[in-house]
Amino acid sequence: DVKVTQSSRYLVKRTGEKVFLECVQDMDHENMFWYRQDPGLGLRLIYFSYDVKMKEKGDIPEGYSVSREKKERFSLILESASTNQTSMYLCASTRVDTGELFFGEGSRLTVL
Amino acid sequence: GESVGLHLPTLSVQEGDNSIINCAYSNSASDYFIWYKQESGKGPQFIIDIRSNMDKRQGQRVTVLLNKTVKHLSLQIAATQPGDSAVYFCAVPRGNKLTFGTGTQLKVEL
Repeated sequence: DVKVTQSSRYLVKRTGEKVFLECVQDMDHENMFWYRQDPGLGLRLIYFSYDVKMKEKGDIPEGYSVSREKKERFSLILESASTNQTSMYLCASTRVDTGELFFGEGSRLTVL
Repeated sequence: GESVGLHLPTLSVQEGDNSIINCAYSNSASDYFIWYKQESGKGPQFIIDIRSNMDKRQGQRVTVLLNKTVKHLSLQIAATQPGDSAVYFCAVPRGNKLTFGTGTQLKVEL
């Protein structure tokens, strides 16, 4: 069964802390994505990567960075967490020739 | 840029009835459309897709209709069941990314 695994389902962090959200996929997909999901706003793309060490900004990259050192792993980094980054974060992956995204279960981050 | 929206934030239907969830898009050049379902506490899951050279596509209990003239697509669920309760998103590719609508919460009443 294909799988996208996010390392933490729930996190609580303090303002100013550095936060790492890890995502691993076992489907050998080229493309990986990080979205955040907020009520009434749907899914908004933060960053995506189409190859190892490659990354592109999505629609709301401010306050975030990413790392893709291996094909199967895509990390989202909040250098200095702020309360407005409290959200559900969703990782997804896909083959380069299809629009069918496979999502992880999500990581709910609360920044106090 | 591309915008994708859904007509209703919430839709309530009786168990056994048919559900229709609507979505509008802005870019007439869009050639591929996808519906996702997100159950509570889970990530979105692919349901069905349709290419712009089609106006209808059927899956198991689901049908997607595409009206390119008015830039509208709909997801129809036949004989809605409690397990269909979820948030439904339409999505449109934008390069190698997807733009999602804001979602419709489908509530199934017993």
